[in-house]
Amino acid sequence: EAQVTQNPRYLITVTGKKLTVTCSQNMNHEYMSWYRQDPGLGLRQIYYSMNVEVTDKGDVPEGYKVSRKEKRNFPLILESPSPNQTSLYFCASSSVGGAGYTFGSGTRLTVV
Amino acid sequence: AQSVTQLGSHVSVSEGALVLLRCNYSSSVPPYLFWYVQYPNQGLQLLLKYTSAATLVKGINGFEAEFKKSETSFHLTKPSAHMSDAAEYFCAVSDRGGSEKLVFGKGTKLTVNP
Repeated sequence: EAQVTQNPRYLITVTGKKLTVTCSQNMNHEYMSWYRQDPGLGLRQIYYSMNVEVTDKGDVPEGYKVSRKEKRNFPLILESPSPNQTSLYFCASSSVGGAGYTFGSGTRLTVV
Repeated sequence: AQSVTQLGSHVSVSEGALVLLRCNYSSSVPPYLFWYVQYPNQGLQLLLKYTSAATLVKGINGFEAEFKKSETSFHLTKPSAHMSDAAEYFCAVSDRGGSEKLVFGKGTKLTVNP
């Protein structure tokens, strides 16, 4: 089944403790992206990647890091999480040409 | 830079009534436009997309949307609402082939009353 897989689905952590949210897609898509969803703000892009080793900032990149060492994987790293990063995070992937993104099921992160 | 405005953060309709969710966009180049649906506790699912072919686009679950360049709109409609349509709907725009920077509206939550 074609899908984007994120792990974990739920995560509660403490301020300052580094964490990684994994994302993997099995569709051989070139493009991958991370979004955060907050009530009343919709979805905002954090980072995106156009291919292996090619990444760029989205609208809200502060406090986040990404890497794209393999085509299928696009992990999101929070080096020093803060409470304002409590949010619902989505990973998504797309082929070229306006196909539209396929989204993962989301990771609900709480930073206390 | 692109932007999307969804008019109405909450829309309520009766079962069997017309569904109309409004989306206006701003883009300096011809856009690619998308509607996504999010059911509770789930990810986003692509409903339909406009990529410069026919201006009336049909999607899944009986939804359709019409691209109107003169009005910079891409409103989503469904002739007859069903209880299962209750969800949050997001309009999104991209001007680079739809695969890079996808900008979302803030969403419209649709309630369907029996």
